[in-house]
Amino acid sequence: EPEVTQTPSHQVTQMGQEVILRCVPISNHLYFYWYRQILGQKVEFLVSFYNNEISEKSEIFDDQFSVERPDGSNFTLKIRSTKLEDSAMYFCATVDSSSYEQYFGPGTRLTVT
Amino acid sequence: AQKVTQAQTEISVVEKEDVTLDCVYETRDTTYYLFWYKQPPSGELVFLIRRNSFDEQNEISGRYSWNFQKSTSSFNFTITASQVVDSAVYFCALSDYSGGGADGLTFGKGTHLIIQP
Repeated sequence: EPEVTQTPSHQVTQMGQEVILRCVPISNHLYFYWYRQILGQKVEFLVSFYNNEISEKSEIFDDQFSVERPDGSNFTLKIRSTKLEDSAMYFCATVDSSSYEQYFGPGTRLTVT
Repeated sequence: AQKVTQAQTEISVVEKEDVTLDCVYETRDTTYYLFWYKQPPSGELVFLIRRNSFDEQNEISGRYSWNFQKSTSSFNFTITASQVVDSAVYFCALSDYSGGGADGLTFGKGTHLIIQP
């Protein structure tokens, strides 16, 4: 069964550093998403991406965040200058346009120290 | 604005008991999707079910069943004859339909289900 993959599984970074989280979507899916989950809390929508542009973003997705699909396969989330409160699990998801089922990747745990 | 409420923060039952997890949602849209996801201690999000707003039929999948009631804006999830492996956090989620694809999901806060042996 096809699956969404994410790398790295765990990233530790110092406050103020830039991080890039990577996702490889399922190949025939066209809609991509990033979510985050602060430890012990609910999953929160960050951004959706379709046809090489952002289609929707939440209040959380401010200027320090950006997304791109640099090479037609990877889908990346960049955090320019990390803060302690960015520590969370970040999930990538893609949608099967026929079923609208969102397939989630295993997540990247980001720890900002 | 969308909202999903899972009022039960934590439920603890003894194995083999039936348990129902409640989910109440709010949306202004007439077309939307409802989901349930399971998050075991390992942290991944496991898809359980998707239901669209036009399909109010209840669904059963093995020990799992779902009751969608549009009149009360609820989409409850029942596990019959619970097992220890069912212990996890369960999230209910809502997505509007934007015509070409699905909008981002709005999640509830989750219900931590503990099944005691």
